[in-house]
Amino acid sequence: KQEVTQIPAALSVPEGENLVLNCSFTDSAIYNLQWFRQDPGKGLTSLLLIQSSQREQTSGRLNASLDKSSGRSTLYIAASQPGDSATYLCAFPRSSASKIIFGSGTRLSIRP
Amino acid sequence: DAGVIQSPRHEVTEMGQEVTLRCKPISGHNSLFWYRQTMMRGLELLIYFNNNVPIDDSGMPEDRFSAKMPNASFSTLKIQPSEPRDSAVYFCASNFGGSDTQYFGPGTRLTVL
Repeated sequence: KQEVTQIPAALSVPEGENLVLNCSFTDSAIYNLQWFRQDPGKGLTSLLLIQSSQREQTSGRLNASLDKSSGRSTLYIAASQPGDSATYLCAFPRSSASKIIFGSGTRLSIRP
Repeated sequence: DAGVIQSPRHEVTEMGQEVTLRCKPISGHNSLFWYRQTMMRGLELLIYFNNNVPIDDSGMPEDRFSAKMPNASFSTLKIQPSEPRDSAVYFCASNFGGSDTQYFGPGTRLTVL
């Protein structure tokens, strides 16, 4: 059974810092990996999607990496801003037809 | 595009009542997902449809829950009878292709008293 762990569960840093969020999974047979952001009381917004054959994806200040051999993905946020405060979740399906499994999320707070 | 639309946004009902949640996926998307989110269990997939056909309903908690997708632009999630432990935020999401990026609706916050 695929298990997904996100560490830390919560993180608070001052504005301007670079930070890394971690996602670990037990089964390397994943189809792709997605990072989502969820603001309080809102739905999820997709940030980045990394295909199984890729090692990283970048969008603005965000960079996500994927290392299937070690069962890890990281989300790097550069020059953090208070607007980055949200819960970040990783998620992935094992195949193109399987359901997506979500991590429990990391609650990020950026202090002005 | 208006994005995924869910209604109602908030629902408060009494135990034993029937609850119907509605979702309109993004036009052109052929997969639709229903999720439930609670503090205790996080985000759980309840059921997903592809081309209006239920593909995986293994996440549906029990027979009190049922979902339908009569056409490509509409889906319902029904709970009958509702119980207090059903209180949660229910999200609908859609995409084109089961494993592609999913687009989430704003959710329906359900409170069963």
